[in-house]
Amino acid sequence: DAKTTQPTSMDCAEGRAANLPCNHSTISGNEYVYWYRQIHSQGPQYIIHGLKNNETNEMASLIITEDRKSSTLILPHATLRDTAVYYCIVRVPSGTYKYIFGTGTRLKVLA
Amino acid sequence: SAVISQKPSRDICQRGTSLTIQCQVDSQVTMMFWYRQQPGQSLTLIATANQGSEATYESGFVIDKFPISRPNLTFSTLTVSNMSPEDSSIYLCSVGAGGRSSYEQYFGPGTRLTVT
Repeated sequence: DAKTTQPTSMDCAEGRAANLPCNHSTISGNEYVYWYRQIHSQGPQYIIHGLKNNETNEMASLIITEDRKSSTLILPHATLRDTAVYYCIVRVPSGTYKYIFGTGTRLKVLA
Repeated sequence: SAVISQKPSRDICQRGTSLTIQCQVDSQVTMMFWYRQQPGQSLTLIATANQGSEATYESGFVIDKFPISRPNLTFSTLTVSNMSPEDSSIYLCSVGAGGRSSYEQYFGPGTRLTVT
């Protein structure tokens, strides 16, 4: 079963920050939060991941709440090419390293 | 990172037939996964295919329907057997790489299967 919940869809104006929330209230202390995106008809693309601290890379920032029950992916300056389905994933810490995908958020960046 | 290719990229098949999908990686990896993505849906894990062991199937997926081979560290195949229209989906392979804190999965481009 998916361990994350995300809004079904969101819109964002081009050039503005896109803030995508994710709830993972049953997360365990050693589970990482991952974000991927899937642009139409392509394989999912890694964006960022984190455990406790906020993380930033060239694509996005990840803000994880102190209780780790939710997180937010931030695309600082959304472009039309960021239109995609964004998946928040909690990595199963069972040693199998498998992902369980939730339903994701369909982000539409508007011109 | 890892570069993954899949063959075929798409196919149209008749019900009752079988299709074997190939997944090739440009580096040696231990962990490999197969997913199914039905139209308009999220990804569902079919099985984990680690080299040197039998594939581990998720609930709802069985070896007779989705046999998997993993002959070496750079290659795997997934067969969709005795196909029906309900098997029309995108099938994706992925590989896992990295350690506990740096682990990532890299995905192939997918194989779009239509069963008529």
